[in-house]
Amino acid sequence: DIQMTQSPSSLSASVGDRVTITCRASQSISSFLNWYQQKPGKAPNLLIYAASSLQSGVPSRFSGSGSGTDFTLTISSLQPEDFATYYCQQTYKTFLTFGGGTRVDIK
Amino acid sequence: QVQLQESGPGLLKPSQTLSLTCTVSGGSISSGGYYWSWIRQHPGKGLEWIGYMHYSGSTDYNPSLKSRVTISIDTSKNQFSLTLSSVTAADTAVYYCARTSYGGNFIFDYWGQGTLVTVSS
Repeated sequence: DIQMTQSPSSLSASVGDRVTITCRASQSISSFLNWYQQKPGKAPNLLIYAASSLQSGVPSRFSGSGSGTDFTLTISSLQPEDFATYYCQQTYKTFLTFGGGTRVDIK
Repeated sequence: QVQLQESGPGLLKPSQTLSLTCTVSGGSISSGGYYWSWIRQHPGKGLEWIGYMHYSGSTDYNPSLKSRVTISIDTSKNQFSLTLSSVTAADTAVYYCARTSYGGNFIFDYWGQGTLVTVSS
């Protein structure tokens, strides 16, 4: 199976900060990488698919980049509603796997 | 707008069989291009894909659960279901159903709200 490793596991940031979360795959997955946001008590919500494509309705402050084994989710200017946990997910192999998550807290 | 809603028992005893149903509204479960998935989240932990099914009958499961899992679809009711046998406390989790779009990339684009299943004697 393909292991997905996110870093950091948590971070503290202020409103307006630029935030970067990384995700590393245990083998090359081309661009078969999605990002989700999850708020407490809620289901995850798709943000980015195919590494860099913004899901409809998602604010443009979210962006994704990368290919192969290394990927990045960037929030250009953190908003109060962005405090949540973020997960990457690989779809290169049909044993679909997620990263361990990155929790973004208020500093 | 597609909506999904999980239903089923919230409390099970060890060795029993977990059975959950996901009712889909706002779209047909028989639409091509979509798979229908179950995903779970242990308390305070990350996400674990359980498996998916296409209305044509194609399925795929997480290898670590494959021996205990069955996903089925009832097109007449626009529902799909999860069966997990011989549950233990390790199966205590929030279970989500999700529509899985496939255009070369499996994307969980619509999710149910999740249902907590607790396994306890």
